[in-house]
Amino acid sequence: GDSVTQMEGPVTLSEEAFLTINCTYTATGYPSLFWYVQYPGEGLQLLLKATKADDKGSNKGFEATYRKETTSFHLEKGSVQVSDSAVYFCALMRNAGNMLTFGGGTRLMVKP
Amino acid sequence: KAGVTQTPRYLIKTRGQQVTLSCSPISGHRSVSWYQQTPGQGLQFLFEYFSETQRNKGNFPGRFSGRQFSNSRSEMNVSTLELGDSALYLCASSLAGGLTRDFGTYNEQFFGPGTRLTVL
Repeated sequence: GDSVTQMEGPVTLSEEAFLTINCTYTATGYPSLFWYVQYPGEGLQLLLKATKADDKGSNKGFEATYRKETTSFHLEKGSVQVSDSAVYFCALMRNAGNMLTFGGGTRLMVKP
Repeated sequence: KAGVTQTPRYLIKTRGQQVTLSCSPISGHRSVSWYQQTPGQGLQFLFEYFSETQRNKGNFPGRFSGRQFSNSRSEMNVSTLELGDSALYLCASSLAGGLTRDFGTYNEQFFGPGTRLTVL
């Protein structure tokens, strides 16, 4: 079945550091890929998405590129802020319908 | 535009009881999906309803059930609660059916804040 693997956290960075959170997936066909963010006490928010190979999703300074050859969708940000502290989830969706398969989540902690 | 609302936000039950959780989607949204979030298993898909019909179902026992009403509001029910059912239950709504076959559109899923269920 489908699966998503992302690096375990927590990831602790200083403000303005470069962020990479690795995500790889296993799925048949051509899934769409997503990054969601969960702030403390809140639900999930869609951060960015890519629906086909080589697409780059971007939002709020975060970027991720859909790499079919390496089945990866790594999240990057050039300069993190304290307000970026949250849990980040990589996810995929295959075929029609709204079933998301999530990775285990990576907690990011940014220190001033 | 109001977001996805879930009630109640917190719930404490004892083993063997049953519980009903409610989700009101964003106005105009016809699809509601439910997810269970636990520290051990992460986020797992429970089921999705679209136009009052269950369209997809995850790998959960029959104790977990749901329904959707004509106004798109959805409820999920868990019968004979077990300690392992303690979790954050999230619902998500979207306009329609998710991805089109040509991946040209995506109906973003908007998540509610969740209902925290504790089973004692």
